[in-house]
Amino acid sequence: DTAVSQTPKYLVTQMGNDKSIKCEQNLGHDTMYWYKQDSKKFLKIMFSYNNKELIINETVPNRFSPKSPDKAHLNLHINSLELGDSAVYFCASSRPTSGGASAYNEQFFGPGTRLTVL
Amino acid sequence: AQKVTQAQTEISVVEKEDVTLDCVYETRDTTYYLFWYKQPPSGELVFLIRRNSFDEQNEISGRYSWNFQKSTSSFNFTITASQVVDSAVYFCALSDTGTASKLTFGTGTRLQVTL
Repeated sequence: DTAVSQTPKYLVTQMGNDKSIKCEQNLGHDTMYWYKQDSKKFLKIMFSYNNKELIINETVPNRFSPKSPDKAHLNLHINSLELGDSAVYFCASSRPTSGGASAYNEQFFGPGTRLTVL
Repeated sequence: AQKVTQAQTEISVVEKEDVTLDCVYETRDTTYYLFWYKQPPSGELVFLIRRNSFDEQNEISGRYSWNFQKSTSSFNFTITASQVVDSAVYFCALSDTGTASKLTFGTGTRLQVTL
């Protein structure tokens, strides 16, 4: 019944490790996103995929690599984790609400994954 | 570039007081959308409202109301008769349009409602 799900909910790991966060949506949406919320609660977009194609990549270190095996999934793989990667990562999916230039994407957020790098 | 400013970092009120959360935005787009989200202590993001740039009508939903003023690029949020359950971080956000639209969030306002 869950619309946008993320696993795991909590992730604690050591610096230098590689980890992945998974996101799945069962809403039939074409577009998926990753947002990062830092310790000061600032939320910023990282990536967006539409129909498995990368369409937004916001100045994110290349240690972060999103992967979209199909439209329903957008996973986030992080190499060589650093202390500054500690944050809450939110996945979202969206559908356009109308066509043309005025279309916008109504975004549905997952519950978030709290990543702690020690 | 789009920008959203929430100048109030933290607000504390006593239950039943009214409180207004300010939001000022910047965009060069003529068509855009504004949002408010609530993030309670449990951490999830809860959608509250969406408003498009062509609709300046104020909206009321229960104890919540929103005042959109294009002339001042503001989209303020008022909670009437606040309750302890309103305690949360509230985010104002701005979206452009199209397939690649993304949400640009403000820094959030933490609202603490006490008895």
